[in-house]
Amino acid sequence: TQLLEQSPQFLSIQEGENLTVYCNSSSVFSSLQWYRQEPGEGPVLLVTVVTGGEVKKLKRLTFQFGDARKDSSLHITAAQPGDTGLYLCAGARNNAGNMLTFGGGTRLMVKP
Amino acid sequence: EAQVTQNPRYLITVTGKKLTVTCSQNMNHEYMSWYRQDPGLGLRQIYYSMNVEVTDKGDVPEGYKVSRKEKRNFPLILESPSPNQTSLYFCASSRRGSDNEKLFFGSGTQLSVL
Repeated sequence: TQLLEQSPQFLSIQEGENLTVYCNSSSVFSSLQWYRQEPGEGPVLLVTVVTGGEVKKLKRLTFQFGDARKDSSLHITAAQPGDTGLYLCAGARNNAGNMLTFGGGTRLMVKP
Repeated sequence: EAQVTQNPRYLITVTGKKLTVTCSQNMNHEYMSWYRQDPGLGLRQIYYSMNVEVTDKGDVPEGYKVSRKEKRNFPLILESPSPNQTSLYFCASSRRGSDNEKLFFGSGTQLSVL
C-alpha cells in the first residue's frame, strides 16, 4: 500500500495547457519534496516545502504544501514540451536515515 | 563535477549468479542509499548508510546486502538474484541523513534477472 498517492498517474496534454498533480497521504510529513525524472536519468530535486500552507514558485511551476502537511500539489502553467517527464513527490518521515517515502509518480507528456 | 556514479548501467544475469552494482559519490557526503524503482510503485528504499561502517535496512531489504567501507563507495550486492529483483536501481547520496537534505541520484542501473 502506497503511503503517498499521486494522481493522476498519467497525463497527456497540449503545449500551453495548465495542469495540476496531486500528492496525498493520511500521514503527516515533516517536509515534502518534488522531483522530476527524465528517461535514462535519476530523479532531480525541484523543490522542498516545509511549512504547512507553504507555496513555492519555480518559474511556471507552483508547489503547495497542505495546511495539515499531509498533501501537496504541483501546478504547471502553460506547459511546454520540456516539462515532459516523471514527477515524483516524496515525504520526509522525520526518521533520520529512512528519510523519504516516494509516491508512485505522475508521468506527464506535453505535446507540441 | 559533483556526481553519483553507478555501474553498470545495464545488466542481464541469470537466477542465482551473484552480482554487485557499484556506487560512488565525489561530494564527501555522509549519507548514501539504494532504491529500486518499479512501475507505479515509485522508489522504494532498500538499504541506507548514515556514515562509514554504518548501514541499516530500508523498506525492502530482503535479498540484498550492502557495505560502506569507505565514505565514497556504497556497493549493492545480490548474493543470489531472483527474477523478482528485476528492476531499475538508483543510488543516492546527501550531505547528511536528515530531513530536508537534497538527495543526489545516480543515473540508474537496469537489472534483468532471467
